[in-house]
Amino acid sequence: GAVVSQHPSWVICKSGTSVKIECRSLDFQATTMFWYRQFPKQSLMLMATSNEGSKATYEQGVEKDKFLINHASLTLSTLTVTSAHPEDSSFYICSAGTGKYEQYFGPGTRLTVT
Amino acid sequence: KQEVTQIPAALSVPEGENLVLNCSFTDSAIYNLQWFRQDPGKGLTSLLLIQSSQREQTSGRLNASLDKSSGRSTLYIAASQPGDSATYLCAVRAWGGADGLTFGKGTHLIIQP
Repeated sequence: GAVVSQHPSWVICKSGTSVKIECRSLDFQATTMFWYRQFPKQSLMLMATSNEGSKATYEQGVEKDKFLINHASLTLSTLTVTSAHPEDSSFYICSAGTGKYEQYFGPGTRLTVT
Repeated sequence: KQEVTQIPAALSVPEGENLVLNCSFTDSAIYNLQWFRQDPGKGLTSLLLIQSSQREQTSGRLNASLDKSSGRSTLYIAASQPGDSATYLCAVRAWGGADGLTFGKGTHLIIQP
């Protein structure tokens, strides 16, 4: 149980385009989903927290207009990187939780912006 | 702001040895602490989760301890195997439990066959 999927697993896009990443909880309903970013040889950094049906809460330094998060249902959250630039190239990982307990992580999405 | 530090940053040991990975955090007001394993280019595998009221958790050859008052946790790996080679991440969740995790930079572990 507690499986979280992400799609796509990897994506290459050109600078200036937008990319959407999906995060799904497959066998449970996630009241909260988190988005993390990991640069090479760095640790995971929390970008934003989203609760179903409400606006996401972004961490300091994360541009909310650049990283659009939608949490339309209890099983799906999407992260859209708008007007992507090479510095946005990173490993994006989502996690899903049912409350004040363990978070379940997706397998990650490798984004490369050329 | 919570900061999580992991020592050592890298470790290479022969197969069969027992080893300890260290994690420290600056704010002791945590809800829980979790140890993860990450293989190159992959996502996270949860190893052990310790609630703030607990002192340790065990799973197979892994044992994690938590001393919340001193802001420390250790991950003990017994009888290491080459398959244990990976990056091990420590992460804490703030008191209240509603927030995301704060991660350390990890310990890159290599077990030599």
